[in-house]
Amino acid sequence: GENVEQHPSTLSVQEGDSAVIKCTYSDSASNYFPWYKQELGKRPQLIIDIRSNVGEKKDQRIAVTLNKTAKHFSLHITETQPEDSAVYFCAATTSGTYKYIFGTGTRLKVLA
Amino acid sequence: NAGVMQNPRHLVRRRGQEARLRCSPMKGHSHVYWYRQLPEEGLKFMVYLQKENIIDESGMPKERFSAEFPKEGPSILRIQQVVRGDSAAYFCASSLLGGSGTDTQYFGPGTRLTVL
Repeated sequence: GENVEQHPSTLSVQEGDSAVIKCTYSDSASNYFPWYKQELGKRPQLIIDIRSNVGEKKDQRIAVTLNKTAKHFSLHITETQPEDSAVYFCAATTSGTYKYIFGTGTRLKVLA
Repeated sequence: NAGVMQNPRHLVRRRGQEARLRCSPMKGHSHVYWYRQLPEEGLKFMVYLQKENIIDESGMPKERFSAEFPKEGPSILRIQQVVRGDSAAYFCASSLLGGSGTDTQYFGPGTRLTVL
């Protein structure tokens, strides 16, 4: 069945450094890849997304890259700040289906 | 412009009782999705509903779980005869266009169910 693997499960970086989280998907028909940030006890919030007709998308300090051939996509956060500390989830979905397949999450800690 | 609303935020039930979780989608959204999140895990799809229709319930256990999205009122996820393994956070999401495209889903704050 469809599967999304996410690495690493935990990531600690110094404030100001960059953080990279990687996801690999199994369904080659997947064509939409959102990223969510979830703070403790809060709802998942969409932070950036990318569609399969695009290789890279950037929004201020956050960027996502997609490699369709290798079936993986990555989240890049530059100049990290303590408020970036949270759990980040990647997801993949396919046009015509309804469910997001989520990765298992990455707990990011930004150390001041 | 209210987002997705869920209530209650916290629900405690004893084994064997029923749990009812409610979700009101964002204004203008008629597509609702329910996900379950176990501690330290990702979100797992349960069911997708449009008004008065269940479109995909492939992720929902066939026994004890049911969902509805009536013409009027919120979507309801119902768990009968709860067991300890049902303890989890249940998130509802809504979208504008539904699964025909790759439509962004917006999540509610979740209901944290604890079964004693």
